[in-house]
Amino acid sequence: DPKIIQKPKYLVAVTGSEKILICEQYLGHNAMYWYRQSAKKPLEFMFSYSYQKLMDNQTASSRFQPQSSKKNHLDLQITALKPDDSATYFCASSQRGGGAEQFFGPGTRLTVL
Amino acid sequence: GDQVKQSPSALSLQEGTNSALRCNFSIATTTVQWFLQNPRGSLMNLFYLVPGTKENGRLKSTFNSKESYSTLHIRDAQLEDSGTYFCAALNYGGSGNKLIFGTGTLLSVKP
Repeated sequence: DPKIIQKPKYLVAVTGSEKILICEQYLGHNAMYWYRQSAKKPLEFMFSYSYQKLMDNQTASSRFQPQSSKKNHLDLQITALKPDDSATYFCASSQRGGGAEQFFGPGTRLTVL
Repeated sequence: GDQVKQSPSALSLQEGTNSALRCNFSIATTTVQWFLQNPRGSLMNLFYLVPGTKENGRLKSTFNSKESYSTLHIRDAQLEDSGTYFCAALNYGGSGNKLIFGTGTLLSVKP
């Protein structure tokens, strides 16, 4: 059974629209993260949450907003989508925030036309 | 700049041979993770290392924090080892922790 679920697996959006990427983890972890992988850049850190609180934000744009409705959920809302946002977005989790091993979900591949 | 430099960027191996991948770090880190990204895109955890060496089957990894590098050795390469290998340095502090990834090594194992 998958321990970290990301939905949808593939997503196509038009420029200017808004989408929400879903992430749920069933590992009992207290910290969750978002990373992005695009053709132009290696995997890069976006956000980290610990006990549903934002710990670190390395995303310059406010168009990217994480949302944590439950301890094991960390969704990513992206507004005013641009073609440059096209990438695979990975959710990850770890038992705690301080140096623990991180495990990754299968990713959501977003294409913005 | 390139805080995590990975080499080689691509590698082709004959089935049954051995090789090593390397990461050099220009940031201070106490923990390293290695991943294999399969052709479907999923990231599989291979190793989580504090300074020292771990072994798992045909894979062995070492992290030398004093000299700021980590290696991943693949012994008796098999077709299913093909994919992209990433190392990542854990950068953590009061604001949480994040993995800083290398650019990957694309490994192709041929029969």
